[in-house]
Amino acid sequence: AQTVTQSQPEMSVQEAETVTLSCTYDTSESDYYLFWYKQPPSRQMILVIRQEAYKQQNATENRFSVNFQKAAKSFSLKISDSQLGDAAMYFCAYRSADFGNEKLTFGTGTRLTIIP
Amino acid sequence: GAVVSQHPSRVICKSGTSVKIECRSLDFQATTMFWYRQFPKQSLMLMATSNEGSKATYEQGVEKDKFLINHASLTLSTLTVTSAHPEDSSFYICSARTGLTYEQYFGPGTRLTVT
Repeated sequence: AQTVTQSQPEMSVQEAETVTLSCTYDTSESDYYLFWYKQPPSRQMILVIRQEAYKQQNATENRFSVNFQKAAKSFSLKISDSQLGDAAMYFCAYRSADFGNEKLTFGTGTRLTIIP
Repeated sequence: GAVVSQHPSRVICKSGTSVKIECRSLDFQATTMFWYRQFPKQSLMLMATSNEGSKATYEQGVEKDKFLINHASLTLSTLTVTSAHPEDSSFYICSARTGLTYEQYFGPGTRLTVT
């Protein structure tokens, strides 16, 4: 079974600075997808960024980028120019590429606080 | 696009009663829907996966007779918590996937409180 580990329960960053959230995972599969989701106080899960394991290039979405290290099974999220609206719980998630196994396995989350 | 709604957003029920939560895909057809449970300050745990027109697949440890899932159409799945008890109080979130992509789109969640 796959596992996802987020070792930082809480992180804080000064507004406009850069922060990196860590995520490691364990799997025996070679093809899979990785995601970072944001859950603000409203509890609505919002997809921040996704990475296909077969792609070597790290995904980027505006101020959000990942550092995907497949051999190390590491998938960190970098938030640049942090904004107050970035304050939320961030969950790393894993999904098999097998369409017969669609479940998302989530990490325990990192609460990000933005300091004005 | 890809909007998922849930109803109700909050519900309070008495112990022993049943409560139904609806999950709808508003602008796409959802071949597969997922139900998650999230306890306070914890992560999301998948309860079950449902495909339109077939029986739901429950995760280990989830009581299928207690958490009844119906996916009768391509835009609607329902979760019924039967004979609810205070320990069933939680935040329930659904998500939906189209047949075209691996991405799941999440609903806003339903907070269930059993008194």
